[in-house]
Amino acid sequence: DAGVIQSPRHEVTEMGQEVTLRCKPISGHDYLFWYRQTMMRGLELLIYFNNNVPIDDSGMPEDRFSAKMPNASFSTLKIQPSEPRDSAVYFCASSFTFRVRGEAFFGQGTRLTVV
Amino acid sequence: GQQVMQIPQYQHVQEGEDFTTYCNSSTTLSNIQWYKQRPGGHPVFLIQLVKSGEVKKQKRLTFQFGEAKKNSSLHITATQTTDVGTYFCAGPWAGTYKYIFGTGTRLKVLA
Repeated sequence: DAGVIQSPRHEVTEMGQEVTLRCKPISGHDYLFWYRQTMMRGLELLIYFNNNVPIDDSGMPEDRFSAKMPNASFSTLKIQPSEPRDSAVYFCASSFTFRVRGEAFFGQGTRLTVV
Repeated sequence: GQQVMQIPQYQHVQEGEDFTTYCNSSTTLSNIQWYKQRPGGHPVFLIQLVKSGEVKKQKRLTFQFGEAKKNSSLHITATQTTDVGTYFCAGPWAGTYKYIFGTGTRLKVLA
């Protein structure tokens, strides 16, 4: 398997623009997580899905952030409108419930810069 | 809410020296995971501990889960330059799949 695939790898956008980050989880995994990483706040869980259903979105910072998972092989994280403080690395991760180790597999991340 | 703290925040060691990072949770954990993130990379799973007092080894790495299941440690014996990176612990919130990551310990190894 190719692992968790995120796109784009880098995104530079102007304040106020809409940004969409994409994620393809590992086939067969039933959990999907979106994390944000910054120097100040570390790794924060934004939202996670189980079988395409959002389970906990309490980490989503504001209404400007939204996430969808229309099917088992695709998820998006959208920021509209974007602000400079949204600049961070966004990771998508997936996990398979019944694996003994229960580990999450992370994608390479999307480095977002909002100017 | 649940907090997971790690100390130290940074550690510089000479190659060959030992290294330990400590992880403390504000609540009892059903299990704890450890991840390593290389500079510019993404977190990679190392191990999961489940039992109270559990000790697991992976070559030069030794992981411990505290008796009260609120703390954990990672010890690296005779560090190598390949050990450079940030080490995170992560624990599930209230038995869910909402894993809270610790603050991380950044390790630098001087050759």
